[in-house]
Amino acid sequence: EADIYQTPRYLVIGTGKKITLECSQTMGHDKMYWYQQDPGMELHLIHYSYGVNSTEKGDLSSESTVSRIRTEHFPLTLESARPSHTSQYLCASSGTGTSAKDYNEQFFGPGTRLTVL
Amino acid sequence: GQNIDQPTEMTATEGAIVQINCTYQTSGFNGLFWYQQHAGEAPTFLSYNVLDGLEEKGRFSSFLSRSKGYSYLLLKELQMKDSASYLCAVIINNAGNMLTFGGGTRLMVKP
Repeated sequence: EADIYQTPRYLVIGTGKKITLECSQTMGHDKMYWYQQDPGMELHLIHYSYGVNSTEKGDLSSESTVSRIRTEHFPLTLESARPSHTSQYLCASSGTGTSAKDYNEQFFGPGTRLTVL
Repeated sequence: GQNIDQPTEMTATEGAIVQINCTYQTSGFNGLFWYQQHAGEAPTFLSYNVLDGLEEKGRFSSFLSRSKGYSYLLLKELQMKDSASYLCAVIINNAGNMLTFGGGTRLMVKP
């Protein structure tokens, strides 16, 4: 069972608010990821990190920002939420095993479903 | 660049067998994952292939042909709970070993 947590699970907020979506993992994984996914649609990588103090933008442009101050923690922040940010946000991490499978298998958190009114 | 193609939707009958195909065009291939994702939930690991051939795990099997850039997921004895999206994901080793996901195949199992 994967030990990766996201809070909150559901969030409904008004336009213009600043929000932070939390993601933590207890597996000691170096790599962490944020995906955005609309219902029934594909996953879009918006941010990733190879380790502490490393952050990169993903394939899909996003107005959110991330930080990686600790290995286990990878929060995502929206400075000013808009209705277009309404979506599901999935956090994932991958391991440091020696095999390609163990190094690359991504474990996903339960997701945060964000609604911006 | 990387290109991963899967059918968008498939429908099958309970008790039947269904094959979900995935083709990819990429440089630096280093393995392929299949994930299952139920509606509103997170993806969960199903299988991993890096060598050519078939990997069997209970009702689910996954096949890989590296020379053809092709994989399939085979689901036998379909159950209603198998209704979900199935995601093909490829490891690209010339981009920091990033996992690139296909668009997913939404499978509907009917009675």
